[in-house]
Amino acid sequence: GESVGLHLPTLSVQEGDNSIINCAYSNSASDYFIWYKQESGKGPQFIIDIRSNMDKRQGQRVTVLLNKTVKHLSLQIAATQPGDSAVYFCAENSDGAGNMLTFGGGTRLMVKP
Amino acid sequence: AAGVIQSPRHLIKEKRETATLKCYPIPRHDTVYWYQQGPGQDPQFLISFYEKMQSDKGSIPDRFSAQQFSDYHSELNMSSLELGDSALYFCASSLAGVNTEAFFGQGTRLTVV
Repeated sequence: GESVGLHLPTLSVQEGDNSIINCAYSNSASDYFIWYKQESGKGPQFIIDIRSNMDKRQGQRVTVLLNKTVKHLSLQIAATQPGDSAVYFCAENSDGAGNMLTFGGGTRLMVKP
Repeated sequence: AAGVIQSPRHLIKEKRETATLKCYPIPRHDTVYWYQQGPGQDPQFLISFYEKMQSDKGSIPDRFSAQQFSDYHSELNMSSLELGDSALYFCASSLAGVNTEAFFGQGTRLTVV
C-alpha cells in the first residue's frame, strides 16, 4: 500500500495506553467536526463527529472534545491497540449548506506492542 | 455493505496527457465529492455534485472538470497533466443534507511522469 503522510507529526504510544490527538481548526463559523482515520493506501474512514452545540461526544473507545473558544479539537482513544495505528485527520464543515470538508493537518499514531 | 468504488486504483500518465477517474457512490447516495491528497498533505476539496449538478467548488484547477451522471456515478477529467498533479484522488459520497456522513473510497493513485 501507499504511505500517506510521510512528514506528519507522529505520536507513539504503548499498546494499552490512552492516546490524545489534537487539532486546531481554522474557521470560527464551522459547526460540524469529524475525525477520520486513514490507513496506508486507504481512504479516510469516519471515526466520530461532533456538532458545535456540544463540547464532548463519546463513542466506542473514542471521545472527541471541542473547545470553541480556542478552536481546538481533540480525539482521545482509550486502550490503544496496534490496529489503531494510522494517520488521523480532523475535518470541519464550514460552508453551512452542504458537506464540503476542510481537513486539518494529520497526525500519525504509532502503537508499539 | 457496498462502499464507494473508485477506478482505476493506480494510474500512470505522462505530462500533458489526459486522465479520467471514475467514482461509483454507495447505492442511494446522491452527493459525490472529489478530494486531492498530495504526499504528506491533507485531503483538499476539489468539487462536489448533488443530483447531477455541481454544488460546491474548491481548489480545482481549470484543467480539471467533473460531472455526475444519471446513475449518480461521477468522473473527474484531468487534462494537460503536470508533475504536480501526482496525488491520491479520493471520491466520497453521502446522502443529501447538511452534515451527513461522507464515506470515502479507496482512492486512485495518479502518478504523472
